[in-house]
Amino acid sequence: NAGVTQTPKFQVLKTGQSMTLQCAQDMNHEYMSWYRQDPGMGLRLIHYSVGAGITDQGEVPNGYNVSRSTTEDFPLRLLSAAPSQTSVYFCASSIFPGYSYEQYFGPGTRLTVT
Amino acid sequence: AQKVTQAQTEISVVEKEDVTLDCVYETRDTTYYLFWYKQPPSGELVFLIRRNSFDEQNEISGRYSWNFQKSTSSFNFTITASQVVDSAVYFCALSDAGGTSYGKLTFGQGTILTVHP
Repeated sequence: NAGVTQTPKFQVLKTGQSMTLQCAQDMNHEYMSWYRQDPGMGLRLIHYSVGAGITDQGEVPNGYNVSRSTTEDFPLRLLSAAPSQTSVYFCASSIFPGYSYEQYFGPGTRLTVT
Repeated sequence: AQKVTQAQTEISVVEKEDVTLDCVYETRDTTYYLFWYKQPPSGELVFLIRRNSFDEQNEISGRYSWNFQKSTSSFNFTITASQVVDSAVYFCALSDAGGTSYGKLTFGQGTILTVHP
């Protein structure tokens, strides 16, 4: 099992550019989510999905889109990058949706927007 | 609303010292789970423990132990005989049944632990 994988590991964008952060898991987990980590703020939920075809917004969704066409993949799209989106992005998954299940995190993508 | 506070921003100890990382949480729910994650310098997040709100038993796993006290809304983490490899950022997190985002984890700000040889 590779677990949760994310690509790329590092990315630099110019303001206004768009890009997609990739996330995949091979554990057949139903629940997947995206968090961003900023200094002194812990991690905050951007979007989540409780299964293929179902997504919803988290705490800080503005400027990001997601889709979930398969169980395995949950890409995060930045529509028009802004310096405020400079952050480390983590994808996570758990076997089922719900508050009781531990989530497994990918290695993260460090994004810089200039 | 849920909230997790880790008041210690940074802790520095010498190897073999014991160290306790504090975590205080707020939630209106009676049913919730608490988690600790470790983020080593390599950057990934490693799950350490999950504890539900109905189980106040302390847990020990090797040099790690956790003290859950509902009366003070705290879930503290102690490392006994710390080692250099314990140097990392440690996050406490909360997930409760009342949130609208299924499985949403509310994280504390993290505590940077540095263990010196």
